[in-house]
Amino acid sequence: SQQGEEDPQALSIQEGENATMNCSYKTSINNLQWYRQNSGRGLVHLILIRSNEREKHSGRLRVTLDTSKKSSSLLITASRAADTASYFCATDNRGAQKLVFGQGTRLTINP
Amino acid sequence: GAVVSQHPSRVICKSGTSVKIECRSLDFQATTMFWYRQFPKQSLMLMATSNEGSKATYEQGVEKDKFLINHASLTLSTLTVTSAHPEDSSFYICSASLSYEQYFGPGTRLTVT
Repeated sequence: SQQGEEDPQALSIQEGENATMNCSYKTSINNLQWYRQNSGRGLVHLILIRSNEREKHSGRLRVTLDTSKKSSSLLITASRAADTASYFCATDNRGAQKLVFGQGTRLTINP
Repeated sequence: GAVVSQHPSRVICKSGTSVKIECRSLDFQATTMFWYRQFPKQSLMLMATSNEGSKATYEQGVEKDKFLINHASLTLSTLTVTSAHPEDSSFYICSASLSYEQYFGPGTRLTVT
């Protein structure tokens, strides 16, 4: 079953602005991952954050994880038109390899 | 590294026919592969977990006789949609597990007419 909830479902901002997406989940996890999907394409892995980590950076991406609130956020700084895509968080239940995906946020960067 | 391919990328078939989709890990061996289905503007729904050399584990509500999964080698898993119907039209994505990460294929767009 889908356990991840993401908000907002859709986000439209101007190029250069920062974009923040949030994800909440229900069960204990080993790690949480963020993926990007361009329309009609496969998923691109962005970043993995482990349950004992609170924050992680990769280029213009910043991910936070709050296991007490069972939530994570993805921040994209200085957005570009090429960042337009859907973004999904995915969690694994402890002891299970399979991923459960959130509903996703459709991000549109306006030039 | 860690590249996963799918074939075909797009397929159109007539109602009642069967369609086979291949998922290959190109540069690593994957004991576990996963099959997902994604409807337009929705998230990925896990259909089944495919383990090399054993029967697949299907998620609740997924018909195992309709979605046949074979994982005959460490680099290949196949999904066969049997007796396809228009409601099976969807985007099917596979992934292959390497350590704690999953690497996703580019997806297969199935259209059943």
